[in-house]
Amino acid sequence: NAGVTQTPKFQVLKTGQSMTLQCAQDMNHNSMYWYRQDPGMGLRLIYYSASEGTTDKGEVPNGYNVSRLNKREFSLRLESAAPSQTSVYFCASSWDWTETDTQYFGPGTRLTVL
Amino acid sequence: AQSVTQPDIHITVSEGASLELRCNYSYGATPYLFWYVQSPGQGLQLLLKYFSGDTLVQGIKGFEAEFKRSQSSFNLRKPSVHWSDAAEYFCAVGGGSQGNLIFGKGTKLSVKP
Repeated sequence: NAGVTQTPKFQVLKTGQSMTLQCAQDMNHNSMYWYRQDPGMGLRLIYYSASEGTTDKGEVPNGYNVSRLNKREFSLRLESAAPSQTSVYFCASSWDWTETDTQYFGPGTRLTVL
Repeated sequence: AQSVTQPDIHITVSEGASLELRCNYSYGATPYLFWYVQSPGQGLQLLLKYFSGDTLVQGIKGFEAEFKRSQSSFNLRKPSVHWSDAAEYFCAVGGGSQGNLIFGKGTKLSVKP
């Protein structure tokens, strides 16, 4: 049982390049989330998927797109990377989309945009 | 709107000393509160959570937290800190408008030998 896995662990991009961050969970969770972590800012929600087949914007969605490929996988795409997207990206999952459900986090992807 | 405040950005304690990390929240209804720990270069691990009932909650690694509704606080405590506790600690409240957790900005804990 690996929990939440993310690939890649590290990535360096040039401004304007695109990339997709992958996330998978093996806990049969219904809900999945993408957060970004910036120094002194805590974690902020980018996009979420309350259940398979649905996705919605979070607090900071600009410049990102997501795909809930199936129940296990939730990817985050940067179409044209900008230096402001330099951050650590965390994927999380929970059994359901309620305030009492514990969210389990992946190890993160450290992205640098030059 | 919900919010979480962690007043201390950085705390240093000596190994073996007691620890208290502060967390204050703003939430209209009954809050669902969490403490996560992030070791350097790692993801977030859940330490403990409070939903209802006993206001003193026990977690992993010897941590506990006390919910005080009158003070809108959910402070994290440990009686004796170990060097391996050096990490960043995040308080969070559940029930964001998008089902998300609302995080505080974190408190970095350093442990002196």
